[in-house]
Amino acid sequence: AQSVTQPDIHITVSEGASLELRCNYSYGATPYLFWYVQSPGQGLQLLLKYFSGDTLVQGIKGFEAEFKRSQSSFNLRKPSVHWSDAAEYFCAVGGSYFGNEKLTFGTGTRLTIIP
Amino acid sequence: GAVVSQHPSWVICKSGTSVKIECRSLDFQATTMFWYRQFPKQSLMLMATSNEGSKATYEQGVEKDKFLINHASLTLSTLTVTSAHPEDSSFYICSAGPTGGVTEQYFGPGTRLTVT
Repeated sequence: AQSVTQPDIHITVSEGASLELRCNYSYGATPYLFWYVQSPGQGLQLLLKYFSGDTLVQGIKGFEAEFKRSQSSFNLRKPSVHWSDAAEYFCAVGGSYFGNEKLTFGTGTRLTIIP
Repeated sequence: GAVVSQHPSWVICKSGTSVKIECRSLDFQATTMFWYRQFPKQSLMLMATSNEGSKATYEQGVEKDKFLINHASLTLSTLTVTSAHPEDSSFYICSAGPTGGVTEQYFGPGTRLTVT
């Protein structure tokens, strides 16, 4: 069965500092991996996705993620966080990137930014 | 583009009553829609997958008679929580996959259900 683990429930970083959110997955076939951000009152927004090719993926809002098959990881990074990045972040895995494919989500990481 | 709305955004109902939540794709057609449930500080748990014009596929452990899903058009899916109980209180999120399946699914803002 597929699963996603986000080991960090809550992370606090200073504005301007770098960020790394961890994600480990378990999937029996080629994984399609996603990072979403959830802000209060808004739907989940896709930050980036990976399914093949370059293992370093660039997303919106200055985020990037690196796929490491040997570690079954897909960690999200940002070199310098902004106060507006405070939100809940979810890693997800699916069998394709198509809109009719169901996704399995991790438990999320809440990001707090301090001035 | 690619906006999904949910109505209502929050609802309070009494135990034993039923409540309907709507999920609409505003600017695209969605053959497939998903319903998720999110508990506080927990992940999104997929409840069911609905395809326009056919019966929904429920995930294991989800009571189909309690959580009725209808996907009668390419822009609307509804989730009805029947005979609601306090344990049904949760945050319900829908997502929609554009017809043709060539892009990712888009998520609604969620509906907070409180059963008293």
